[in-house]
Amino acid sequence: GESVGLHLPTLSVQEGDNSIINCAYSNSASDYFIWYKQESGKGPQFIIDIRSNMDKRQGQRVTVLLNKTVKHLSLQIAATQPGDSAVYFCAEIHTGRRALTFGSGTRLQVQP
Amino acid sequence: GAGVSQTPSNKVTEKGKYVELRCDPISGHTALYWYRQSLGQGPEFLIYFQGTGAADDSGLPNDRFFAVRPEGSVSTLKIQRTERGDSAVYLCASSLKGWSEAFFGQGTRLTVV
Repeated sequence: GESVGLHLPTLSVQEGDNSIINCAYSNSASDYFIWYKQESGKGPQFIIDIRSNMDKRQGQRVTVLLNKTVKHLSLQIAATQPGDSAVYFCAEIHTGRRALTFGSGTRLQVQP
Repeated sequence: GAGVSQTPSNKVTEKGKYVELRCDPISGHTALYWYRQSLGQGPEFLIYFQGTGAADDSGLPNDRFFAVRPEGSVSTLKIQRTERGDSAVYLCASSLKGWSEAFFGQGTRLTVV
C-alpha cells in the first residue's frame, strides 16, 4: 500500500557534525515532498521541499536529495547544532491530491 | 493572531462522551487541514477544507468524526462517543497557497479515559 517510512528511528550525532536523515516512499505517483521538524509539544515546522522534477534542493544549512529511481529521500543538515534536536518527518503529496502523507519520523539527538 | 491557534491545548474526557476541538487558522488562509498524531507516529490526515467546504474527508476514520468550517475561517472537529483509541494529538494547519506556506498549530492533546 501507500506508505512513507524512515530507515532509522533515532540518530545521534555530535554537535558540528553533518546529519543525514533518510526516508523511503512507495508511491510512484508522489510528485512533491517536504521535510518537517517537530519539537516536543509543538506542531510540525516546514524545513524544505522538493518537487519530483528535481533531484536536489538546498536551503540554509539543509539539503534535500531525491532519488526517484529507488524512491528515496534524504535530508542533510550541515554543522548540526543542539537546536536541531527534534523529530524529523518526511511527507509526500500524490498527484492530484492536497493532503500530505507523513512518515513515522526520525529522532535526531545532538550531543554537545 | 500571528499563528494557527488550537483550543483547548489539552482535553481529558471520559469514554463515550462528545468533544469539540477548535482551530483558528491564520487570517485569510483559505485552506485548512486536520491531522491526528498518535504517540511516536507521524501525523495522519483527517480532513481538508477549502473555504467552507470539505474538499477531502477521506481520512476521517468513521462516522463518529465530523468537522465543520461554516464561515470559512474557524473550524471545529467533533468526535462523538469517544473511545480510548481516539486519544492522540489533533493538529490543525492552514495555508493560503501550498504546503510551503502552510503552518501547523500546536495541537490539542485529547485523552480519553
